[in-house]
Amino acid sequence: IQLTQSPSLLSASVGDRVTLSCKGSQNINNYLAWYQQKLGEAPKLLIYNTNSLQTGIPSRFSGSGSGTDYTLTISSLQPEDVATYFCYQYNNGYTFGSGTKLEIK
Amino acid sequence: EVKLEESGGGLVQPGMSVKLSCATSGFTFSDYWMEWVRQAPGKGLEWVAEIRNKANNYATYYGKSVKGRFTISRDDSKSIVYLQVNSIRSEDTGIYYCTRLSRNYVMDAWGQGASVTVSS
Repeated sequence: IQLTQSPSLLSASVGDRVTLSCKGSQNINNYLAWYQQKLGEAPKLLIYNTNSLQTGIPSRFSGSGSGTDYTLTISSLQPEDVATYFCYQYNNGYTFGSGTKLEIK
Repeated sequence: EVKLEESGGGLVQPGMSVKLSCATSGFTFSDYWMEWVRQAPGKGLEWVAEIRNKANNYATYYGKSVKGRFTISRDDSKSIVYLQVNSIRSEDTGIYYCTRLSRNYVMDAWGQGASVTVSS
């Protein structure tokens, strides 16, 4: 299963509501997770099973979607959210999307 | 606290071999499936290999681009997972992360990564 993320680069202001998209080449059956990777660091798990928040992750992060289309939403962008975000499917093997780089305007 | 720490990376000549290690602590290592994921410079993440636990017969699986050249193994007595890389190529250059696969089949714990650079 291939994952296509959009946009590849997103610039937004502090406090903005931000939406990142991930589209699968096949039905993912909600086995979709999101990772945050800050510069020079390992990825961190944010969301799993489409909409389950990993322990310790702020509630401004949320996930939604079904079938082939999934979304990560940050309700109020904070400076510390600057990172690249990867979606990941585990419905059929393991595949990562190409990432969305999130910047502050 | 769950910890994973990779070692064994460095500069490797094309065609040679390297063995990466990942020492873990803070969880019952023998219960978990373990993974290796790599990231080429400035690129995305690529799943490389998986080794399951004893209950699943230590089954191993590999990504298409590395099958036949990479071997994943584990030592439950030491809580360490390994990745043997043979016939290394320039496209194997990158950061290699050791990860734990949770019961939800997501990689919920990651090491800091081991850098491998393939160059003559």
